[in-house]
Amino acid sequence: DAGVTQSPTHLIKTRGQQVTLRCSPKSGHDTVSWYQQALGQGPQFIFQYYEEEERQRGNFPDRFSGHQFPNYSSELNVNALLLGDSALYLCASSLRGHVSYNEQFFGPGTRLTVL
Amino acid sequence: RKEVEQDPGPFNVPEGATVAFNCTYSNSASQSFFWYRQDCRKEPKLLMSVYSSGNEDGRFTAQLNRASQYISLLIRDSKLSDSATYLCVVNADRGSTLGRLYFGRGTQLTVWP
Repeated sequence: DAGVTQSPTHLIKTRGQQVTLRCSPKSGHDTVSWYQQALGQGPQFIFQYYEEEERQRGNFPDRFSGHQFPNYSSELNVNALLLGDSALYLCASSLRGHVSYNEQFFGPGTRLTVL
Repeated sequence: RKEVEQDPGPFNVPEGATVAFNCTYSNSASQSFFWYRQDCRKEPKLLMSVYSSGNEDGRFTAQLNRASQYISLLIRDSKLSDSATYLCVVNADRGSTLGRLYFGRGTQLTVWP
């Protein structure tokens, strides 16, 4: 049973650049959520995708955008990178409508460093 | 005010000790509660869900007090392998926040031999 996968594992960018992170959900899951985890903090919700649409969004600027594909995989795009965007970006998958919907399974994350 | 508040610790305990973590949440409409475990530089992994009056899984016991909006995790007979950060997580299921998880900042536990 394939778990949640993310790529790349590490990324180094400079301020002002753009980045795309990728996520494949756990087999059988149809909902993908993205979280940002700064050092020493808990993960913070960025947004959630279901049926190829953004369903919810956290308190993040428009520089953060996403997409979900028909195969349920997802991308997170961040434009005009700032130093403060350096963090671990986590993708979580779940199955909407299932009794355990709220139990989300996390991928290993992409560690982004902005210089 | 943050959605979920946790004491960040660190907690340093010897093997075999009993340790308890607490957290509070601000949204009284919250419906689902979880404890996740996160090892250093790894992803969070679900440790246990906490429903209604709480539940037990081996050495781990989670309690929920809805009136006080308070969640706890008790670890008995601590093992070296329990060393990790424990994240208190809440989900407000109603309305537009369906599926969104709110995390505390985590409580760091180190179990020493």
